[in-house]
Amino acid sequence: DSGVTQTPKHLITATGQRVTLRCSPRSGDLSVYWYQQSLDQGLQFLIQYYNGEERAKGNILERFSAQQFPDLHSELNLSSLELGDSALYFCASSFPTGGGGITGELFFGEGSRLTVL
Amino acid sequence: GEDVEQSLFLSVREGDSSVINCTYTDSSSTYLYWYKQEPGAGLQLLTYIFSNMDMKQDQRLTVLLNKKDKHLSLRIADTQTGDSAIYFCAESIKGNTGKLIFGQGTTLQVKP
Repeated sequence: DSGVTQTPKHLITATGQRVTLRCSPRSGDLSVYWYQQSLDQGLQFLIQYYNGEERAKGNILERFSAQQFPDLHSELNLSSLELGDSALYFCASSFPTGGGGITGELFFGEGSRLTVL
Repeated sequence: GEDVEQSLFLSVREGDSSVINCTYTDSSSTYLYWYKQEPGAGLQLLTYIFSNMDMKQDQRLTVLLNKKDKHLSLRIADTQTGDSAIYFCAESIKGNTGKLIFGQGTTLQVKP
């Protein structure tokens, strides 16, 4: 158990719909990362938040957005869903070392599997 | 650009050594990682190596880094059936060790 909790574990929805994925980081971790794992694109970095602020952005579509709340949990919002959005969405967290650096280890949740029909 | 390449499949017999290879393109990578993913589970960090190291050993795992050729390998000694999983190589982007570029993953099949 990594200590990172993601809900829901599975989600089935229709094209055009909107869903929210939730992530609770490990206790004390300030950074949250979202990754997408799909058959054709592999594992891709989407976005990172650090203590409530967006820190880095990857290949995240404009239809997707995320936020990190004061209690440090994060949500990934996916809207106008398309078939190609079907994937496993991972959240990871880490605790920064001094100077704002990162420990070098991300702790991953078990993922939320999204199926768009 | 940033890219990480791995072979997709490796099959070994129980007790043999497994070697999973990876090439990367970003010479400014700070850390290079090996993650393991078992069916239905998240990614588990196995080991990582700092870019100024050549080798790191951790029990049955040996990581070799050839920075000149941008080649990373993971050797698993005495491979067990419980080692069957997908293994991902990843590099971190300079300045942000949480933003990882992953390879496509190598499926390791261990036959009894």
